[in-house]
Amino acid sequence: DQQVKQNSPSLSVQEGRISILNCDYTNSMFDYFLWYKKYPAEGPTFLISISSIKDKNEDGRFTVFLNKSAKHLSLHIVPSQPGDSAVYFCAASPTFSGNTPLVFGKGTRLSVIA
Amino acid sequence: DGGITQSPKYLFRKEGQNVTLSCEQNLNHDAMYWYRQDPGQGLRLIYYSQIVNDFQKGDIAEGYSVSREKKESFPLTVTSAQKNPTAFYLCASSIRQGNTEAFFGQGTRLTVV
Repeated sequence: DQQVKQNSPSLSVQEGRISILNCDYTNSMFDYFLWYKKYPAEGPTFLISISSIKDKNEDGRFTVFLNKSAKHLSLHIVPSQPGDSAVYFCAASPTFSGNTPLVFGKGTRLSVIA
Repeated sequence: DGGITQSPKYLFRKEGQNVTLSCEQNLNHDAMYWYRQDPGQGLRLIYYSQIVNDFQKGDIAEGYSVSREKKESFPLTVTSAQKNPTAFYLCASSIRQGNTEAFFGQGTRLTVV
């Protein structure tokens, strides 16, 4: 069963507009969340993270929002640029992880149209 | 400069042969991971290691083997027992396991011919 779900396989947005990528999780032990960006034939690169003690974290054009009660997080990109076109992965981890590495969603392919 | 190096970038293997993918990191990270990416499947965990000489199976370990004899190295062997080995393989490392970002290598595209 998927513990981290990205229900939208793809998203198209016009350049300059806002991109909103969504992620849901089922494991209530998760309390650290990350977003990665991946170009074809390359490794994912870390974008932004958020701890469960916060509900928002901002880094330039990227903002992640966390709604713990809904077990939902989202990544906002404003304004969207053509170079943002990539696959975005949501990942989660419990603080007291024991033997649990990051758990990834299946990704959302973002296309920013000029 | 520090990072994770995977080699080779592209690898071709004949069906029935074992092949080893290299992963080296100079970040002094304790934890290392191997993931596999298939279209529409996201990143699936194959094996991971928290410390030298210790490793655990991930979600799809069947047909794979690993070793962790040195902190900086975590090679993955794709054996002939792996039914569908053609995929993009990603190695990652983190300073510790859990509650921290993992850093990825550039990946190895394995194709079975």
